Amino acid sequence: LAKTTQPISMDSYEGQEVNITCSHNNIATNDYITWYQQFPSQGPRFIIQGYKTKVTNEVASLFIPADRKSSTLSLPRVSLSDTAVYYCLVGDIAHSSASKIIFGSGTRLSIRP
Amino acid sequence: DGGITQSPKYLFRKEGQNVTLSCEQNLNHDAMYWYRQDPGQGLRLIYYSQIVNDFQKGDIAEGYSVSREKKESFPLTVTSAQKNPTAFYLCASSSGDTSGYGYTFGSGTRLTVV
Repeated sequence: LAKTTQPISMDSYEGQEVNITCSHNNIATNDYITWYQQFPSQGPRFIIQGYKTKVTNEVASLFIPADRKSSTLSLPRVSLSDTAVYYCLVGDIAHSSASKIIFGSGTRLSIRP
Repeated sequence: DGGITQSPKYLFRKEGQNVTLSCEQNLNHDAMYWYRQDPGQGLRLIYYSQIVNDFQKGDIAEGYSVSREKKESFPLTVTSAQKNPTAFYLCASSSGDTSGYGYTFGSGTRLTVV
């Protein structure tokens, strides 16, 4: 199982760039790295997914070094509405048994005015 | 719009009762999942199904049961054997396509024992 480690909580201010790092030392060759965002009393929603190097979409960027043992979710110019829990998942969601995809406790991000 | 619908949003259960949580998806996804979330915690897998008429236990299946008679539907029954059922329950689905985006989640059902 590809266990992940991410900070329990982070604080930042509106307009700042926030970087959340996830460690996954035993990532397998076929594993993707996927980040989800969860607001209170809602289901998680997909933010970004990558395999290697850098991926960018309209919401965030995902940086993955060559060894793939970690990844960094970057949220540019955060706002109060980015306050949420962020989960890093590692696995081959399409082909692996769901029991091999682990949601940890995530990173609780708090944005202040 | 395609998505996952969970109902009801809030559910109250008396001691000793069985209750069923509904989950319906119109995304044409093959796989469906049930997760439980306790306050301040991550998601724990209860059951999952990768094809109609087949399902597997997750990490915390005791006290729960499921069925998968249709591709679109994956109801979860919380039985009286589940001693601590108060939690937030999330249903999800996924395609078997690597170009997909992993899981799509419903908006959840909050179950409270009264």
